[in-house]
Amino acid sequence: GESVGLHLPTLSVQEGDNSIINCAYSNSASDYFIWYKQESGKGPQFIIDIRSNMDKRQGQRVTVLLNKTVKHLSLQIAATQPGDSAVYFCAEKYPFSGGYNKLIFGAGTRLAVHP
Amino acid sequence: GAGVSQSPSNKVTEKGKDVELRCDPISGHTALYWYRQSLGQGLEFLIYFQGNSAPDKSGLPSDRFSAERTGGSVSTLTIQRTQQEDSAVYLCASSPRDDGETQYFGPGTRLLVL
Repeated sequence: GESVGLHLPTLSVQEGDNSIINCAYSNSASDYFIWYKQESGKGPQFIIDIRSNMDKRQGQRVTVLLNKTVKHLSLQIAATQPGDSAVYFCAEKYPFSGGYNKLIFGAGTRLAVHP
Repeated sequence: GAGVSQSPSNKVTEKGKDVELRCDPISGHTALYWYRQSLGQGLEFLIYFQGNSAPDKSGLPSDRFSAERTGGSVSTLTIQRTQQEDSAVYLCASSPRDDGETQYFGPGTRLLVL
C-alpha cells in the first residue's frame, strides 16, 4: 500500500551545524503533513506541521518544506544542539473510505548530534 | 496541564497470557488512537476511537487484539494469548478533533512477551 518513507535512516551532525531530514510520500491526496520528534523512552512529540496549500512553514529553529511536485517533505533544524538528538518521524494525513482521516507514519530517521 | 498517560510503563508477560494496557487521554479530547511501535520501526496504526465508538479497527493485527473506550475517556487495549511477536511499544494518542491531526502521544507501554 501507499506509505511515507524516509531517505536517510541515520544522520550524524556536529553541534551547531544545520540538519536536514528528508521524507518522501506517495499519496497525492494527502493534505496535511507533520513532523514528530521521539526521544528515547518517550512518546512522539509534535514539532511542526504544514498543509498542502503551503510550501514552507517556519517554527523556532525548525523549517518544514513541502514539494508537492516530487512528493517530498523535509525538516530543517538550524544550529543543531545535543538536545535535538532523537528519532524524527514524518507523517501524512489522507482520507480513507468512510470519511475517516488517518496519519500514516514513516519509519523514522535517527539524528545524532556530536559535540 | 496533564498530558496523555499510559499504564503500565513496562509489562513483561509469558507467552499465552492476556495483557491489558491502559490509556488516559487528555481531558476533553474526543479522538483516541492506539499505535504499535516495534523496535527501530515506525508507528503502526491499530485502532481509532471517536468518543466511545471505534469507526476504524482496520489496524488490529488479529482477533487476539481488542480495545474499548468508556465514558469518552479511558481506553484499554487487550491482547489475548500473547505471542512473542506482540513484543513492542504500544502508544496511545488523543486529539481534541476528529480530523486525524494534532495527536498528542503518551509515553507508551513497553510490552515484552517471553
